[in-house]
Amino acid sequence: QLQLQESGPGLVKPSETLSLTCTVSGGSISSSSYYWGWIRQPPGKGLEWIGSIYYSGSTYYNPSLKSRVTISVDTSKNQFSLKLSSVTAADTAVYYCARHVVEFDYYMDVWGKGTTVTVSS
Amino acid sequence: QSVLTQPPSASGTPGQRVTISCSGSSSNIGSNTVNWYQQLPGTAPKLLIYSNNQRPSGVPDRFSGSKSGTSASLAISGLQSEDEADYYCAAWDDSPSWVFGGGTKLTVL
Repeated sequence: QLQLQESGPGLVKPSETLSLTCTVSGGSISSSSYYWGWIRQPPGKGLEWIGSIYYSGSTYYNPSLKSRVTISVDTSKNQFSLKLSSVTAADTAVYYCARHVVEFDYYMDVWGKGTTVTVSS
Repeated sequence: QSVLTQPPSASGTPGQRVTISCSGSSSNIGSNTVNWYQQLPGTAPKLLIYSNNQRPSGVPDRFSGSKSGTSASLAISGLQSEDEADYYCAAWDDSPSWVFGGGTKLTVL
């Protein structure tokens, strides 16, 4: 069945750029029925949507993060990636990637296990 | 401050029925469907309810969802100890963006 796996550095220095990749297995990222997105969860806090991308490259971003976020897709590798620039301690969180169903209705049905990113010098 | 409003906590005894509310606005719950996620300790969120009241395959029918106007509710009947988790509501907002509730921690007493 479809699986998503996040990967990337677990420690990032303040002011640097956080980079994560989500690898999709068991299905194609090029399906017309889905967007692919990033959600994060700071320690002890709730979920925050970061942004989403379609296989064609069309993106939506959280307005509060839009100036620092870039999400890209590589259909040849069945992967999509997140870059968050100028990070601070407030960006410390578990980062999840997820599939977004966009056919007939909207929901996130498959999630990765998450990867912890700590921002610290 | 989350866009969708949930109570921070809820509790019940085994076998009891509990409900968790989620309040939004005309641009999210009022015009789009609501989804619910269950997050067990130390794990990723899991889709529990989609399209207001639909259960994915494998989710027990003890879990049900409803929506009215700009509010939604998750009901859990026959409460079990394994239901102890954090529950989040979510909806597409017309801004456009995804919005979540702040989460409700359910304790089974």
